Amino acid sequence: QKEVEQDPGPLSVPEGAIVSLNCTYSNSAFQYFMWYRQYSRKGPELLMYTYSSGNKEDGRFTAQVDKSSKYISLFIRDSQPSDSATYLCAMRGQGAQKLVFGQGTRLTINP
Amino acid sequence: DVKVTQSSRYLVKRTGEKVFLECVQDMDHENMFWYRQDPGLGLRLIYFSYDVKMKEKGDIPEGYSVSREKKERFSLILESASTNQTSMYLCASTIHGGETQYFGPGTRLLVL
Repeated sequence: QKEVEQDPGPLSVPEGAIVSLNCTYSNSAFQYFMWYRQYSRKGPELLMYTYSSGNKEDGRFTAQVDKSSKYISLFIRDSQPSDSATYLCAMRGQGAQKLVFGQGTRLTINP
Repeated sequence: DVKVTQSSRYLVKRTGEKVFLECVQDMDHENMFWYRQDPGLGLRLIYFSYDVKMKEKGDIPEGYSVSREKKERFSLILESASTNQTSMYLCASTIHGGETQYFGPGTRLLVL
């Protein structure tokens, strides 16, 4: 079993929809949780960063962490075609230098 | 802005060739990483380095080696390229204990 599980999709939704992307994990030592966005033929870039449990909001994006369920989510409100990309979750434990990545979910927003 | 550059965007090599992939970062980061990214498998860590001349194996080091002679530069070496090493290779860097890794644009390697 992988340490981090993420549905690879693909996920296709109409413009303006609310998108929910999720990851589950098995290692209870994970404390830092990230979402990266990767456009086609580019390297990943950090979108959201959360420490421990709770919510974090940045514009149309909200990241949620539920450590009791070992479950993290990324919500995109009012989705735009420019949000079409692969979204990767990543996480690490306290003091760890390495990140553990999910497979990535390929998202397409249709105009 | 942090900048991580990779020597080539696209590379075509023959089986058995020695291949060098170079990564340079301009923010004095201690940690540097090499990943490969394959459909359905996500990002897998090959090697990482937390200081000059220091290296640690990642999850899939077989068939690869690395070199870090200067802080800003981290090289990935395929000693004898094989077709199963056809992949997208991504380099990343971060400060020690940093909250995020900064990625380069990637090198798409095709081994024939």
